[in-house]
Amino acid sequence: ETGVTQSPTHLIKTRGQQVTLRCSSQSGHNTVSWYQQALGQGPQFIFQYYREEENGRGNFPPRFSGLQFPNYSSELNVNALELDDSALYLCASSWGPRGRYGYTFGSGTRLTVV
Amino acid sequence: SQELEQSPQSLIVQEGKNLTINCTSSKTLYGLYWYKQKYGEGLIFLMMLQKGGEEKSHEKITAKLDEKKQQSSLHITASQPSHAGIYLCGADINNAGGTSYGKLTFGQGTILTVHP
Repeated sequence: ETGVTQSPTHLIKTRGQQVTLRCSSQSGHNTVSWYQQALGQGPQFIFQYYREEENGRGNFPPRFSGLQFPNYSSELNVNALELDDSALYLCASSWGPRGRYGYTFGSGTRLTVV
Repeated sequence: SQELEQSPQSLIVQEGKNLTINCTSSKTLYGLYWYKQKYGEGLIFLMMLQKGGEEKSHEKITAKLDEKKQQSSLHITASQPSHAGIYLCGADINNAGGTSYGKLTFGQGTILTVHP
């Protein structure tokens, strides 16, 4: 059973640029959620994708967008990067949107905006 | 998040000592998750609790859920340096329909240091 894989592991971008982060869900999982974790804080929910549609969103602006593909993998896109977007971005997959059997997290992508 | 308070924020113990980390929700819980995180890395799943009074154990780590208090505790017995890391509790809040919102609200985490 493969776990959740995220790419890239690290990324440095300039303010104003756009970035795409990728996530492959754990085998058998059909739902992907994205979280942002700032330094010293707990992760914050960005949004969830289920059946290729956004299924719930946290308090993040529209420049944070995502996609889910038929194989259940997902992308997180952030436009017009700001310095405060620097964080660890975590992807979590689950069986179903309510995580009946729990949420499995990936190792994250460390994004630095300069 | 003020919805979920975790305490203490940091903990330094000598190897072999027992310790407890608490997590209290201001809202009704559908489920409560415990994760461990090494600095800058992903979250490692420890336990999921969904029923009041439920208690689960894995090796030397035990977690309990007090449904009345909307509180969970994580207890480590005979701590080892390998237990060091950041412990995060994640609350799956109960929505008006009595089910999950499908997202976790996390506390700030507890940084655990275990001295050999």
